[in-house]
Amino acid sequence: QLQLQESGAGLVKPSESLSLTCTVSGGSISSSNFYWGWIRQPPGKGLEWIGSVYYSGTTYYNPSLKGRVTVSVDTSKNQFSLDLTSVTAADTAVYYCARQMGVSYSIFDYWGQGTLVTVSS
Amino acid sequence: QSALTQPRSVSGSPGQSVTISCTGTSNDVGGYEYVSWYQQHPGTAPKLLISDVSQRPSGVPDRFSGSKSGNTASLTISGLQAEDEADYYCCSYAGFYTFEVIFGGGTKLTVL
Repeated sequence: QLQLQESGAGLVKPSESLSLTCTVSGGSISSSNFYWGWIRQPPGKGLEWIGSVYYSGTTYYNPSLKGRVTVSVDTSKNQFSLDLTSVTAADTAVYYCARQMGVSYSIFDYWGQGTLVTVSS
Repeated sequence: QSALTQPRSVSGSPGQSVTISCTGTSNDVGGYEYVSWYQQHPGTAPKLLISDVSQRPSGVPDRFSGSKSGNTASLTISGLQAEDEADYYCCSYAGFYTFEVIFGGGTKLTVL
């Protein structure tokens, strides 16, 4: 059974960078059929796609976050990561990592449990 | 791209049917057969309910069905049960100009 687990700092100061890692177990991140994505959800609000990465390193980002976001993959560790720079209170959210189907890119079939990141001084 | 438009809330009694709409544009919902629906209970991660407009993943009850007409996708839940009370989100690929995935704003389903 595929499992994803987010890890990283839960509290980040304004203007600093947010860094999260998603560890994939029960399957290979190098599978050719899937992308690996990050989605966030501010408290009491809806879901927002942040970005996705393919095992080869190809990345796609939400245009509204482009310039601040980097998603990377480490196939040797079966992990992928999110870096978001110059954070503000608006970046406070539960951050989820998920497996994303290739071709039909709206399908996120396995999700991590989510991790709350609070931006505050 | 703006978020897809969903009603903020819908409600129904046990045993009834409800339909949640998801309206986008020809650049997303209307342009591709790549619409998915997710169910989210409080404090938990979203769960995939419907993929590719109308496909049910293994384990999802056939009470849940999806469809699309033009720029609007719909999720219908028949035979409402108490455990269906949750938030529901639609999601679409929006790759006309660039690779992008957009979600709807979410709909709160209340089972009366």
